[in-house]
Amino acid sequence: DVKVTQSSRYLVKRTGEKVFLECVQDMDHENMFWYRQDPGLGLRLIYFSYDVKMKEKGDIPEGYSVSREKKERFSLILESASTNQTSMYLCASSSSDRTSIFGQGTRLTVV
Amino acid sequence: SNSVKQTGQITVSEGASVTMNCTYTSTGYPTLFWYVEYPSKPLQLLQRETMENSKNFGGGNIKDKNSPIVKYSVQVSDSAVYYCLLGDCGGSQGNLIFGKGTKLSVKP
Repeated sequence: DVKVTQSSRYLVKRTGEKVFLECVQDMDHENMFWYRQDPGLGLRLIYFSYDVKMKEKGDIPEGYSVSREKKERFSLILESASTNQTSMYLCASSSSDRTSIFGQGTRLTVV
Repeated sequence: SNSVKQTGQITVSEGASVTMNCTYTSTGYPTLFWYVEYPSKPLQLLQRETMENSKNFGGGNIKDKNSPIVKYSVQVSDSAVYYCLLGDCGGSQGNLIFGKGTKLSVKP
């Protein structure tokens, strides 16, 4: 069964900490995405990647960076976590002829 | 429990009008989103329906409510997957449930 796996289901971090959210897919997909979801706002795109070592800013990249050193792994990095980054984070992957597959989400709380 | 159901696939000819259904059940205060996904692209928001702009102001215990999206005079370029997404702020804030998506194919 193909899947997208996010490393943590729940995380609690302190303000100012550097936070890594990991996402791994086993489908050899070229494209990977990071979204955040907040109540009433739906999904908002943070960053995406079309290939290894490639990255593109989405709609709300401020305060985030990403890393894609290997095709199967796309990491979202919060350089210095802030309380307004408390949210649900969703990773997705896709290929040119298939629709996105989503991970189960990581609920991050910054205190 | 909360749920979202969508029609799997729709094929139409150019110029037709298409209604894509999204039937949801919610125990809280839902916001319903429609997104479109073109191949290899991120999701794009099409429409959002909140309790304030829906006909159901009661809140809580909504069962099998349909919130469709309608596209008129579709073109081949409208071929994509359309997702319905239920965000529910009741109880556990920020619950998010995806429909499986409706694949729209428009033939020339």
